Amino acid sequence: QQPVQSPQAVILREGEDAVINCSSSKALYSVHWYRQKHGEAPVFLMILLKGGEQKGHEKISASFNEKKQQSSLYLTASQLSYSGTYFCGTPEMNSGYSTLTFGKGTMLLVSP
Amino acid sequence: DGGITQSPKYLFRKEGQNVTLSCEQNLNHDAMYWYRQDPGQGLRLIYYSQIVNDFQKGDIAEGYSVSREKKESFPLTVTSAQKNPTAFYLCASTTSFANTGELFFGEGSRLTVL
Repeated sequence: QQPVQSPQAVILREGEDAVINCSSSKALYSVHWYRQKHGEAPVFLMILLKGGEQKGHEKISASFNEKKQQSSLYLTASQLSYSGTYFCGTPEMNSGYSTLTFGKGTMLLVSP
Repeated sequence: DGGITQSPKYLFRKEGQNVTLSCEQNLNHDAMYWYRQDPGQGLRLIYYSQIVNDFQKGDIAEGYSVSREKKESFPLTVTSAQKNPTAFYLCASTTSFANTGELFFGEGSRLTVL
């Protein structure tokens, strides 16, 4: 089942903060975050593991609450280079194989 | 440099024609995937494979076929049975299938059916 992301789109001015949320109806043991710039391939940002571990990438950090089956991505003091579409991905196990199911994405636009 | 190479980058085809998208990786990864991306839909899984000569259907496999004759290659054929093939197709790989780590993506192939 596809995780649900919110909001669908965010418009910021450079230097402002944003939060992107990802929730699942299934129990999670990890959450992935990727960023895709227009016309390019998605790029891995981080994996959040069970245990509420927070991770960081530049000024981008994330949290994972497995009890609430949610993860949030925090973009602090946003830069123009943060513009793109952010996807969360949740692992699914099928007959011993693990696959990643992505949300529909959150489009982030940072303007000068 | 290691990575995933997809070709062609752009492809135009007439309705009813089969097309094959190439995906080659030199990362020595076991697991490979094909995703389809449509505006506002995120990435949806078409097929995946862990080892040579073995692959499984994803969420939207109808109208597609794959092969895995070599570890480094995982081509996708979009058949005439696929009702709406116009989309952006992404190939990805990762080291282990049992516990999905970081996915490495190719640059994608944009297919337009006229």
